[in-house]
Amino acid sequence: ETGVTQTPRHLVMGMTNKKSLKCEQHLGHNAMYWYKQSAKKPLELMFVYNFKEQTENNSVPSRFSPECPNSSHLFLHLHTLQPEDSALYLCASSPLPGGNNEQFFGPGTRLTVL
Amino acid sequence: RKEVEQDPGPFNVPEGATVAFNCTYSNSASQSFFWYRQDCRKEPKLLMSVYSSGNEDGRFTAQLNRASQYISLLIRDSKLSDSATYLCVVNSDRGSTLGRLYFGRGTQLTVWP
Repeated sequence: ETGVTQTPRHLVMGMTNKKSLKCEQHLGHNAMYWYKQSAKKPLELMFVYNFKEQTENNSVPSRFSPECPNSSHLFLHLHTLQPEDSALYLCASSPLPGGNNEQFFGPGTRLTVL
Repeated sequence: RKEVEQDPGPFNVPEGATVAFNCTYSNSASQSFFWYRQDCRKEPKLLMSVYSSGNEDGRFTAQLNRASQYISLLIRDSKLSDSATYLCVVNSDRGSTLGRLYFGRGTQLTVWP
């Protein structure tokens, strides 16, 4: 596997379910990100991790809970989501954090909350 | 005010046409600028960085006007494969000591035969 991978690619869940999104990067990068992309809206940064430590939480509701066990893996745990949380969730990585570095994106998980 | 503003389009042009996209950004202290490309139902990928003096990569030319806080992308001799959404992206340190990327909504381009 190369680049950034994400699983599952599609997810449908009810508002009372608990699910997790997984991201893995094979690029040797130290920074990882979660973004949300809703229809007709720009990508919204959710979380930033640098060397496994969370460095940014962009005022994300607590029903989204990230986890970064090491520099290669990133999870997004979901619970009691709302229908408006339906979106494409993209994981990205970069050699170092900060906006000067190219970010490499995974294919995304398309989430539908019923 | 949004960090990055783009005309969403769509732009529909014939093969071989020249097309230009523009975007504006709100933080005058922004230091890095990029164009990303996102194909339908795919992830964004870096197309090119934008440098102060302007830069070219084949059929693509990017320009930066710091005084007007304006970025442009010119595509010459459009190909069918250029059909995609083009995202204007700006690095701003607003709210983040390390800087973070702010994405525009994207401009949708369709090149027809």
